[in-house]
Amino acid sequence: AQSVAQPEDQVNVAEGNPLTVKCTYSVSGNPYLFWYVQYPNRGLQFLLKYITGDNLVKGSYGFEAEFNKSQTSFHLKKPSALVSDSALYFCAVRLSGYSTLTFGKGTMLLVSP
Amino acid sequence: SAVISQKPSRDICQRGTSLTIQCQVDSQVTMMFWYRQQPGQSLTLIATANQGSEATYESGFVIDKFPISRPNLTFSTLTVSNMSPEDSSIYLCSVERASGGADTQYFGPGTRLTVL
Repeated sequence: AQSVAQPEDQVNVAEGNPLTVKCTYSVSGNPYLFWYVQYPNRGLQFLLKYITGDNLVKGSYGFEAEFNKSQTSFHLKKPSALVSDSALYFCAVRLSGYSTLTFGKGTMLLVSP
Repeated sequence: SAVISQKPSRDICQRGTSLTIQCQVDSQVTMMFWYRQQPGQSLTLIATANQGSEATYESGFVIDKFPISRPNLTFSTLTVSNMSPEDSSIYLCSVERASGGADTQYFGPGTRLTVL
């Protein structure tokens, strides 16, 4: 079975400061890892993914994520947060070769002015 | 990516009635998915809908409660039958597209359902 843990229900950061949203995963095999963002009353928007290769992946809106195989983590980061980044962030995992995504419970990011 | 639309965007329904949600994609896709997001919760996969075959339901979801149609490669419907307040959720469809060496799921805007 595959699972995703997002240990923080909420992350608070001041605008201009760096942000990190944590994600750890469990999967039997090679993982494909994804981050999605959900703005209020909107669907999920794809941010970035890790498939293979470089452990640091860059995505939309200046976000990046670092894959760490030994720690089974895939934390989302951004060097300088914007108020408009405030939203609900979901980490997801699936096995290579399979389509079923498993989502974490989500982390609410609040960026204060 | 993909342009996905859903209808209705939201609805308020009475207990015991049914609602059909439509999902339209801007181009042909093989796999479409239906998810449920209960209030304050994460996404749970209801079923996978492939054109030309019966939908595949996840554990805890049955066809009688959530019948799905997939008449062509750009369209699918999900019906929530005999609704109860526990069915109040956001329902999202998604499609899978090959991107950057691996298939990625892209989501529609969701249908917010409230059952009274």
